[in-house]
Amino acid sequence: GNSVTQMEGPVTLSEEAFLTINCTYTATGYPSLFWYVQYPGEGLQLLLKATKADDKGSNKGFEATYRKETTSFHLEKGSVQVSDSAVYFCALSDPNSGYALNFGKGTSLLVTP
Amino acid sequence: DAGITQSPRYKITETGRQVTLMCHQTWSHSYMFWYRQDLGHGLRLIYYSAAADITDKGEVPDGYVVSRSKTENFPLTLESATRSQTSVYFCASISGIGELFFGEGSRLTVL
Repeated sequence: GNSVTQMEGPVTLSEEAFLTINCTYTATGYPSLFWYVQYPGEGLQLLLKATKADDKGSNKGFEATYRKETTSFHLEKGSVQVSDSAVYFCALSDPNSGYALNFGKGTSLLVTP
Repeated sequence: DAGITQSPRYKITETGRQVTLMCHQTWSHSYMFWYRQDLGHGLRLIYYSAAADITDKGEVPDGYVVSRSKTENFPLTLESATRSQTSVYFCASISGIGELFFGEGSRLTVL
């Protein structure tokens, strides 16, 4: 079935550092890809998405490009802020279960001042 | 307010008791989902529903029961709670363009 693998955390960065969180996927067909963010004590929120190869999703300074040739969807941000501290989940849609999303295990990010 | 509401937000129960977690959405989305979130496992799909009276199993359905008599409600029942069901449970619905919207979660502790 469709699945994603993302880098293990936790990731600790200083404010204004460059962020990359790796995500690779295994899928049949051409699923949509997503990054969700979870702040402490809250549910998950959509950060960005891409629906086809070479699409770039972007939001709040975060970007990710759907790379079919490397089956990847790495999350990047040029300059992180303390407020970006959260858990980030890579996900892809699974048409076999009502287009539910299959999530990676999450990567915890801590940004220090 | 529009969105997904889960209740209760926090619940402590004992092994063997029945527990029902409620989920209500205001958008009339067709598809709804229940996930559980556990450290080291991320989110795992328990059950999903394509419409009223249509439900199907996800990755980890054992020990859970769902129903969907109305489009807007999707309760999850643990018929006889076990300690391994201690978790944070998230209800979600999906929009027509494929965006998944989550409730705030229900934290369940089984003693």
